[in-house]
Amino acid sequence: EPEVTQTPSHQVTQMGQEVILRCVPISNHLYFYWYRQILGQKVEFLVSFYNNEISEKSEIFDDQFSVERPDGSNFTLKIRSTKLEDSAMYFCASSDPNRGIEQFFGPGTRLTVL
Amino acid sequence: AQSVTQLDSHVSVSEGTPVLLRCNYSSSYSPSLFWYVQHPNKGLQLLLKYTSAATLVKGINGFEAEFKKSETSFHLTKPSAHMSDAAEYFCVVTLRNSGNTPLVFGKGTRLSVIA
Repeated sequence: EPEVTQTPSHQVTQMGQEVILRCVPISNHLYFYWYRQILGQKVEFLVSFYNNEISEKSEIFDDQFSVERPDGSNFTLKIRSTKLEDSAMYFCASSDPNRGIEQFFGPGTRLTVL
Repeated sequence: AQSVTQLDSHVSVSEGTPVLLRCNYSSSYSPSLFWYVQHPNKGLQLLLKYTSAATLVKGINGFEAEFKKSETSFHLTKPSAHMSDAAEYFCVVTLRNSGNTPLVFGKGTRLSVIA
């Protein structure tokens, strides 16, 4: 069964460094999303992406964040200058508009900012 | 605004006994609702979904949930818990009824199963 994959599974970085989190959505899906889960807190929506542009973003998704679909398969989340409070689990998801609104999630990338 | 409230942060049951994880939602329209499960160090897996069809929804691994509009509830149940059911469970509502709507998550309920 097709699934969403994410790399790396765990990323450790120093405060102020740039990180890129990578996702490969399910191949025929057209909508892509990033969510994050700070330890002990809710899963929160960050951004959605469709047709090579951002569809919607939350208040969390400030100028430090950007998303890109650099090729036909990858979907990336970049954090320009990481802060301690960016430490979280980041989940990528994708959905197929022809199959309803169900979103399929990847296993997540745990980001630790030191 | 759409929101979900999971009434218990932790539920502990004995193996073989019923499971009840409670969820209440708030929505300004007829929502779509989901239950996702997260096993330790794993991603989010869809257990079941309600999208305005039958109010009693059956999911994977013997779980089911009933949409009750009058009570604004979508509780998750299973007749008999198994050790492998131990995980974090999230009740989720769609922000809108459109194709690429964000999902709004509850805080989660941790289910422990005692042998």
